Amino acid sequence: GEDVEQSLFLSVREGDSSVINCTYTDSSSTYLYWYKQEPGAGLQLLTYIFSNMDMKQDQRLTVLLNKKDKHLSLRIADTQTGDSAIYFCADKNTGTASKLTFGTGTRLQVTL
Amino acid sequence: GAGVSQSPSNKVTEKGKDVELRCDPISGHTALYWYRQSLGQGLEFLIYFQGNSAPDKSGLPSDRFSAERTGGSVSTLTIQRTQQEDSAVYLCASTEPGQHEQYFGPGTRLTVT
Repeated sequence: GEDVEQSLFLSVREGDSSVINCTYTDSSSTYLYWYKQEPGAGLQLLTYIFSNMDMKQDQRLTVLLNKKDKHLSLRIADTQTGDSAIYFCADKNTGTASKLTFGTGTRLQVTL
Repeated sequence: GAGVSQSPSNKVTEKGKDVELRCDPISGHTALYWYRQSLGQGLEFLIYFQGNSAPDKSGLPSDRFSAERTGGSVSTLTIQRTQQEDSAVYLCASTEPGQHEQYFGPGTRLTVT
């Protein structure tokens, strides 16, 4: 079945760039997403990328997609303490009712 | 505008009791999803509604779980004879017609004692 994997934890210093990585197995993925979850809160959609793109930039966020290697990354420039959260990548395959398959989440800790 | 809302925000129930969780999607969104987020299991898909089509129930973990969507809007997820392993955060999401972004509600935290 489909599988999406992420590292569990990342610690960065305030002002540095954060790079959160994700790998997926489904070659039929059409859209790939990044969601942010703060403590006690729901999932906030940050950005997404269509599978025929290799990069998307949105303010401090840059998404890179390597479709050949099935690797997705989220770069956060000038990381702030407010960026501390769990980041989930997810993929969607239109052949599976458009449900999202989520990774396990990466906890980003921003230190001063 | 208003986002996806869910109620209650927290629910504590005794093992064996039935519970109902409610989701109000964003107005005009035709697709509605339920997911479950539990420790050790991550986020898992439960059920999907799209307009008047038959729902995709492929993610429901057992026949104790059911969901309905009335009038193409509000959805209720029902868990019968709750078990301790049902303890989790239940998340609802909705999508606008023809779009692919899923917007999530704040979730209902269910604790079965």
